[in-house]
Amino acid sequence: EIVLTQSPGTLSLSPGERATLSCRASQYVSYSYLAWYQQKPGQAPRLLIYGASSRATGIPDRFSGSGSETDFTLTISRLEPEDFAVYYCQQYGSSSYTFGQGTKLEIK
Amino acid sequence: EVQLVESGGGLVKPGGSLRLSCAASGFTFSSYTMNWVRQAPGKGLEWVSSISGGTTYIDYADSLKGRCTISRDNAKNSLYLQMSSLRAEDTAVYYCARRVVATITDYFAMDVWGQGTTVTVSS
Repeated sequence: EIVLTQSPGTLSLSPGERATLSCRASQYVSYSYLAWYQQKPGQAPRLLIYGASSRATGIPDRFSGSGSETDFTLTISRLEPEDFAVYYCQQYGSSSYTFGQGTKLEIK
Repeated sequence: EVQLVESGGGLVKPGGSLRLSCAASGFTFSSYTMNWVRQAPGKGLEWVSSISGGTTYIDYADSLKGRCTISRDNAKNSLYLQMSSLRAEDTAVYYCARRVVATITDYFAMDVWGQGTTVTVSS
């Protein structure tokens, strides 16, 4: 099973700042199998990025994804108040999905 | 409007069974692979099971294999998860989620999620 490790566990930033979230895989992950989600308390996850770098429908362009093989990054260029949430990366391999443990993005 | 609505959660005793349902609307249900994903209280996301549109491909997470069965009724636009031999560690919010469909590349991501249904396993 491919293990995804997200870092940092918690990221404290202010609105307007740039956020960089990391997702490292224990094995090679095809770009088309890597996705990022945002989850706010009491809500279902929301797809942000699929295929490592493609924005989902309706996602603002301040969100971007990059990376390949075992190292992937989600960048939020300029934080808005509504961006403070938990973010998960997800991969697919060997007929199953796994998620990272999440990065909590909190207001500094 | 594209929508998924789960139901069937509740309180069940250890060793008991439960059947979750997910009603889909606003899209051609039979064309999409569907998933169940769960989230234990205060924890992260855990994929549970997938079923392709024509039910050809079915997969389960090892943690639930042998204790749950995923199914769908395309005529009713509905997805199901039958769970048995439930344990305390199965306590979670269970989400149904639609897999992304694209014309050329096979993407493995979930673009539409329901609001979830809560399963509590406790005596």
